Amino acid sequence: AQSVTQLDSQVPVFEEAPVELRCNYSSSVSVYLFWYVQYPNQGLQLLLKYLSGSTLVKGINGFEAEFNKSQTSFHLRKPSVHISDTAEYFCAVSDTGSASKIIFGSGTRLSIRP
Amino acid sequence: KAGVTQTPRYLIKTRGQQVTLSCSPISGHRSVSWYQQTPGQGLQFLFEYFSETQRNKGNFPGRFSGRQFSNSRSEMNVSTLELGDSALYLCASSSETGGGTPLHFGNGTRLTVT
Repeated sequence: AQSVTQLDSQVPVFEEAPVELRCNYSSSVSVYLFWYVQYPNQGLQLLLKYLSGSTLVKGINGFEAEFNKSQTSFHLRKPSVHISDTAEYFCAVSDTGSASKIIFGSGTRLSIRP
Repeated sequence: KAGVTQTPRYLIKTRGQQVTLSCSPISGHRSVSWYQQTPGQGLQFLFEYFSETQRNKGNFPGRFSGRQFSNSRSEMNVSTLELGDSALYLCASSSETGGGTPLHFGNGTRLTVT
């Protein structure tokens, strides 16, 4: 069985500061990894995904994530955040079988202070 | 392309009633999946439909059901509503069903059961 742990439920940062949102996963098989973002009163939007290949994945809005197989982590980073990045971020894992049977983490609420 | 459309955006129902939620996927997407989002349980998979057939099902009681039409539009039905069914219900569509396929989410239907 797979599982995803987002270590921080809330992360407050100042505008233009760097941020890292942590994600660890557990799986006995090869997995695909995702980060989704949910803005207030909206659905989820894909930020980036890791399927294979380079362990550093670049996504939209200046975000990137690094897949670390030995540490079973997939942390999300941004060098300089903006007020518009205020949202909830979800790490997710799926196996090769089905896109829909994806396991989401509990989410990290990113709040940006001016 | 138009995104995933969910209707209605908000619903208020009374315990014991039933409700039907609707989802129109992105044009050309044949897979539609449904998720329940609550503060306590996070995002949980309900079921997935592909070409009018249910492919996968999550761990929800039989009161939760769904169907998909020939034009890929999907409906979800919840009968005998309980207070605990209050949640944001998200629909997602995808072009394929494999594990690495990203999901495209609608803005959800917020159901309140009183």
